[in-house]
Amino acid sequence: EAGVAQSPRYKIIEKRQSVAFWCNPISGHATLYWYQQILGQGPKLLIQFQNNGVVDDSQLPKDRFSAERLKGVDSTLKIQPAKLEDSAVYLCASSLETSGYNEQFFGPGTRLTVL
Amino acid sequence: AQKVTQAQTEISVVEKEDVTLDCVYETRDTTYYLFWYKQPPSGELVFLIRRNSFDEQNEISGRYSWNFQKSTSSFNFTITASQVVDSAVYFCALSEVGVSWGKLQFGAGTQVVVTP
Repeated sequence: EAGVAQSPRYKIIEKRQSVAFWCNPISGHATLYWYQQILGQGPKLLIQFQNNGVVDDSQLPKDRFSAERLKGVDSTLKIQPAKLEDSAVYLCASSLETSGYNEQFFGPGTRLTVL
Repeated sequence: AQKVTQAQTEISVVEKEDVTLDCVYETRDTTYYLFWYKQPPSGELVFLIRRNSFDEQNEISGRYSWNFQKSTSSFNFTITASQVVDSAVYFCALSEVGVSWGKLQFGAGTQVVVTP
């Protein structure tokens, strides 16, 4: 079974530029999550999708971050414009369904550096 | 407020020693799940164990064991006879039914360093 795929693995941009990350969840997984992990901290949920609908985006900085999950499969996360404090690893995860029980499977992450 | 607290920033042990990681959580929900995840240097978070709030029975799975105590809101995790491959950051996480169901709230992590 293929795992969660993410690209790119690394990205370096200058502040005020825009960037996009892509995630392909495990086949059949209805729920997709984007987490932000700042160095030395635990991951923090940015947005959660159930199929192609948003379940929770309460911690997404909506003035600069956006995310979509077209057709309920792949997802993209965009930052525009980027700030220095956006430097972090962006993790995508998926689970069978939205349930506190289901374990989440994580991708390798995209390491973003904003200069 | 921090929902999950991992007070230990880093633990260093010699191979074959046991390692116990502490986790204290905070919730008002009666239904919740607790998890431990491992993040090796490659960066990918790996699920280790899960416990629901109604089951305080402590278990052992291979070299892993956990101690769940609702009275003290603690969910400690032990690696027995540590190996070099156990070197990683370990995260405790909470999922509450009253909050966005399925959302994991992570602690800050504990870095485990196992030397030969």
